[in-house]
Amino acid sequence: QSALTQPASVSGSPGQSITISCTGTSSDVGTYKFVSWYQQHPGKAPKLMIYADTKRSSGVSHRFSGSKSGNTASLTISGLQADDEAEYYCCALAGIRNLVFGTGTTVTVL
Amino acid sequence: QITLTESGPTLVKPTQTLTLTCTFSGFSLNTPGVGVGWIRQPPGKALEWLSLVYWHGDERYSPSLKSRLTVTKDSSKNQVVLTMTNMGPVDTATYYCAHTEVPDTMFDYWGQGTLVTVSS
Repeated sequence: QSALTQPASVSGSPGQSITISCTGTSSDVGTYKFVSWYQQHPGKAPKLMIYADTKRSSGVSHRFSGSKSGNTASLTISGLQADDEAEYYCCALAGIRNLVFGTGTTVTVL
Repeated sequence: QITLTESGPTLVKPTQTLTLTCTFSGFSLNTPGVGVGWIRQPPGKALEWLSLVYWHGDERYSPSLKSRLTVTKDSSKNQVVLTMTNMGPVDTATYYCAHTEVPDTMFDYWGQGTLVTVSS
């Protein structure tokens, strides 16, 4: 199975909204409602932000939202803040028994 | 409060077998629906899923690494052990264990990770 495809980098100014895409296939993203999103700051463990495509993890700001259309899932960050600058990864169930992560996206707050 | 801690060698030689232990608290691997996964991250690179073991013993492995991986659980000790055979320099990475639950299959609690370097 191949890694899910994410843009290498996305940037935005404070207060703006950005969207990170996560493109898979009909065997993973497009079939199962199990896409999750993780935020990782340098030197830290990943933190769950979104699961089951659209559900926000406990304690995560409402500025983070997940969506999906066909084989592409998306993470939107609204009201961009300095602390949102991090690496973001999507993850999906692949073929029922396996998982696959995305290639990762660096978010820069200008 | 759920916590997970990875432990094992920081340096292994090429061709050796790596054994990592994930010791957890705050949940039980006897509870229906609960699982523990292993994920790794080479320096400066993306996350890669390795393995999952569930409360009922179901084991899952990354297809590309399946022949080299074994995961076992010891629910009485609150531990999950991952072994990876025939280690090579490309296996140098930070290895994480994480808690998950069906059906959502997300990793909601992570250990701090342990860096394993493969070098002679």
